[in-house]
Amino acid sequence: RKEVEQDPGPFNVPEGATVAFNCTYSNSASQSFFWYRQDCRKEPKLLMSVYSSGNEDGRFTAQLNRASQYISLLIRDSKLSDSATYLCVVSHPNQAGTALIFGKGTTLSVSS
Amino acid sequence: GAGVSQSPSNKVTEKGKDVELRCDPISGHTALYWYRQSLGQGLEFLIYFQGNSAPDKSGLPSDRFSAERTGGSVSTLTIQRTQQEDSAVYLCASSLAGVWNEQFFGPGTRLTVL
Repeated sequence: RKEVEQDPGPFNVPEGATVAFNCTYSNSASQSFFWYRQDCRKEPKLLMSVYSSGNEDGRFTAQLNRASQYISLLIRDSKLSDSATYLCVVSHPNQAGTALIFGKGTTLSVSS
Repeated sequence: GAGVSQSPSNKVTEKGKDVELRCDPISGHTALYWYRQSLGQGLEFLIYFQGNSAPDKSGLPSDRFSAERTGGSVSTLTIQRTQQEDSAVYLCASSLAGVWNEQFFGPGTRLTVL
């Protein structure tokens, strides 16, 4: 099982649609979780951290289920500008310290 | 303020040559990370520096790869005897101490090994 798995997509949705992305992680000791956004040929940028109680930032809602080792991102009222690749990121304790493991990303394309 | 900067932005080299990639983190950020991203792939963790602690080198793919961080600021990633499979975008990120903090990425160095 890969450490962080995401459905690669692409997800093609019309403007205004609601879309949800899922992510699973394999290491039960992981403690920090994030969603990053990466535009084409650009560097990743933090979209939001994911907290145990779930959190919302405008049109974006992130959920964490530790028991199922599952993270989700919900985008409501999609905009053209939401088109990007969304990366699920999980902290991964190892013998040397703690690293961040990035999923391969889910590609979203919002069309008018 | 200035973000993370990387140089060069592009590097083309011949197989077998050594290359050095540079990263200037955001001032005050004690944590520095190197990743690489191959075409169509996710980010692959390479190495992590935190303050004066020994770096986490667990992601380095082979002993041809090494990195150092001088004075707790600028970092250099060195790839010796480059191979074609080393071709990728090498991304540097910095953050405040702790993996729970937001990582700020540089624009990356696109390495092409011919």
